[in-house]
Amino acid sequence: QKEVEQDPGPLSVPEGAIVSLNCTYSNSAFQYFMWYRQYSRKGPELLMYTYSSGNKEDGRFTAQVDKSSKYISLFIRDSQPSDSATYLCAMTKPNTGNQFYFGTGTSLTVIP
Amino acid sequence: GAVVSQHPSWVICKSGTSVKIECRSLDFQATTMFWYRQFPKQSLMLMATSNEGSKATYEQGVEKDKFLINHASLTLSTLTVTSAHPEDSSFYICSATYLTGGTYEQYFGPGTRLTVT
Repeated sequence: QKEVEQDPGPLSVPEGAIVSLNCTYSNSAFQYFMWYRQYSRKGPELLMYTYSSGNKEDGRFTAQVDKSSKYISLFIRDSQPSDSATYLCAMTKPNTGNQFYFGTGTSLTVIP
Repeated sequence: GAVVSQHPSWVICKSGTSVKIECRSLDFQATTMFWYRQFPKQSLMLMATSNEGSKATYEQGVEKDKFLINHASLTLSTLTVTSAHPEDSSFYICSATYLTGGTYEQYFGPGTRLTVT
């Protein structure tokens, strides 16, 4: 079993929809959680970073962490065609240095 | 956020030649740099982990003699694909991490598209 699981999609939604992207993990040692956005033929871009259970909001994006369920989500409100990309979750454990664990990424298309 | 650059962004080379890709952290000193490979519509595949002044740690199945990594300073790592073949054609992405607020943040470069003819 992979330590981080992410549904690869693809996910296709109409413009303006609320998008929910999710990852689950198996190891309760994960404490820091990140979401990256990757456009085609570009490097991933860090979108959100959180380390505690609950919600963190940044504009149209909300990152949610539920440590009890080992489940993290990224919500995109009022989705735009420019949000069409692959979204990767990532997480790290404390005191393990630089070891990052990535999901496989979810491909999202927002249709105008 | 922190900025990581890669050069070149796109390179075409002939089979049998070697290609060097540079990765630089522009506004921070990186604790560690990582090299990834990505095929179209597939996820990132970690190739190796590189720390300044020490030998890179390669993932299982990655040939260290083929993918030479040099980490000369806290802001520069290079990946050399030696004796490249068409199957080495791929998208290569580097990333760099630094310690902030007690934890590490990882930032990616824009990627280098390698085409071997």
